[in-house]
Amino acid sequence: QKEVEQDPGPLSVPEGAIVSLNCTYSNSAFQYFMWYRQYSRKGPELLMYTYSSGNKEDGRFTAQVDKSSKYISLFIRDSQPSDSATYLCAMSPYSGGYQKVTFGTGTKLQVIP
Amino acid sequence: GAVVSQHPSWVICKSGTSVKIECRSLDFQATTMFWYRQFPKQSLMLMATSNEGSKATYEQGVEKDKFLINHASLTLSTLTVTSAHPEDSSFYICSATGTSGRLDTQYFGPGTRLTVL
Repeated sequence: QKEVEQDPGPLSVPEGAIVSLNCTYSNSAFQYFMWYRQYSRKGPELLMYTYSSGNKEDGRFTAQVDKSSKYISLFIRDSQPSDSATYLCAMSPYSGGYQKVTFGTGTKLQVIP
Repeated sequence: GAVVSQHPSWVICKSGTSVKIECRSLDFQATTMFWYRQFPKQSLMLMATSNEGSKATYEQGVEKDKFLINHASLTLSTLTVTSAHPEDSSFYICSATGTSGRLDTQYFGPGTRLTVL
């Protein structure tokens, strides 16, 4: 079993839709959760990060963590064609300073105009 | 802030030659740099972690004599693929953590696509 599971998609939605991207994990030591966006042939770009269970909002993006279920989500409101990319979840057992990060395989999202 | 660059962005080489890829942190001091490989439709695979002035720590299964990593300064790390073969063709991405942004967050470069003929 992989430490982090992520549905690879592709996920196609119409412009303006609410998008839900999800990851599950098995390592209860993970405390620090991140979402990266990666456009084709580019390096990943950090979108959001959070430590705690609950929601964190940044513009059209909301990150949600449920540690009891070992489940994290990224919601995108009013999705735009420019949101079309691969979204990677990432997590680490944060205890101060650098900890090895484990990435999901990424979900490819296509927002259709 | 927290910008990481890579050079070259793509390179094509003949089998048996060596290729050097540079990773630079442009606006912060990168105390730790990471090198990843990414195959199509697969996740990032960590190859090695390097701290400035120290030998790199390689992940299991990564040949340290084939993938030479030098972290000579707080803003520059290089990956040299020695005696490259077609199976080394991949997308290589570096990342860095350091004195900008969150200390525990990696900032990625744009990647280098290597094609070995």
